[in-house]
Amino acid sequence: NAGVTQTPKFRVLKTGQSMTLLCAQDMNHEYMYWYRQDPGMGLRLIHYSVGEGTTAKGEVPDGYNVSRLKKQNFLLGLESAAPSQTSVYFCASSHGPSMRFGPGTRLTVT
Amino acid sequence: SQQGEEDPQALSIQEGENATMNCSYKTSINNLQWYRQNSGRGLVHLILIRSNEREKHSGRLRVTLDTSKKSSSLLITASRAADTASYFCATVPKGGATNKLIFGTGTLLAVQP
Repeated sequence: NAGVTQTPKFRVLKTGQSMTLLCAQDMNHEYMYWYRQDPGMGLRLIHYSVGEGTTAKGEVPDGYNVSRLKKQNFLLGLESAAPSQTSVYFCASSHGPSMRFGPGTRLTVT
Repeated sequence: SQQGEEDPQALSIQEGENATMNCSYKTSINNLQWYRQNSGRGLVHLILIRSNEREKHSGRLRVTLDTSKKSSSLLITASRAADTASYFCATVPKGGATNKLIFGTGTLLAVQP
C-alpha cells in the first residue's frame, strides 16, 4: 500500500490566490491531520479530523479550511494565500497512538 | 505553543559514536514519541514511551522518560552515517485529545563517516 500521499509536491502561489492540498491514505485510518513546518519551529497542527465528515481546529488554523468528505481523503484549502503561509505542509494519519506522515508539500507564496 | 523543546539544537558526531538528545516538555503527558525526519522527507515514527514507563529499547535506540522532571532522552548507539537526520519528540498531553501530538523543535544530528 502507498501509505499517505500528498498532492502536489511543490507549488508557487501569488498573494491572494487560492489552492487546495490533497492528502490521501489507504490504511483505513480514522484520524487525519495537517501540520505546517517552519524553520526553527518544529511542526504545528493546523486542523485535524477524527473521522469522516468531522474537522477540528488545531494550534494555527487561521487562513486555512479543511474538509473530510471521504474517510481516505483530507483536503487543506487556502482561500487567499499570504506570504506568511510559505511553509512545508505535512499530512498525517493515525489509528493508534503513533502517526504516519506523508512526504510533504512545499508551498511558496510570493 | 510548543510543548517540547529538544536539546541540543544541533549535534555532530563521528560514525560509531553514541548520540544523545534530550526533550523537555511543559505539561503532564499520556505518552511521548520520537520521530526522525530525513532532509526533504516526512517524519517517521521511531518509538513510543508511555507515562508509566521509564525506559524503552528498540534496536540501537534507547529512550528514557522522567515524568518528575518532564524530560526524555533518546540515545542512538553505534551511530551510522544513515542516522543523519532531524529528530523530534512529540507528546500527547494528559487529558488532551487522543492522538493529537504536539511536536518539539527538533535536534539536527549529523553523523560524519
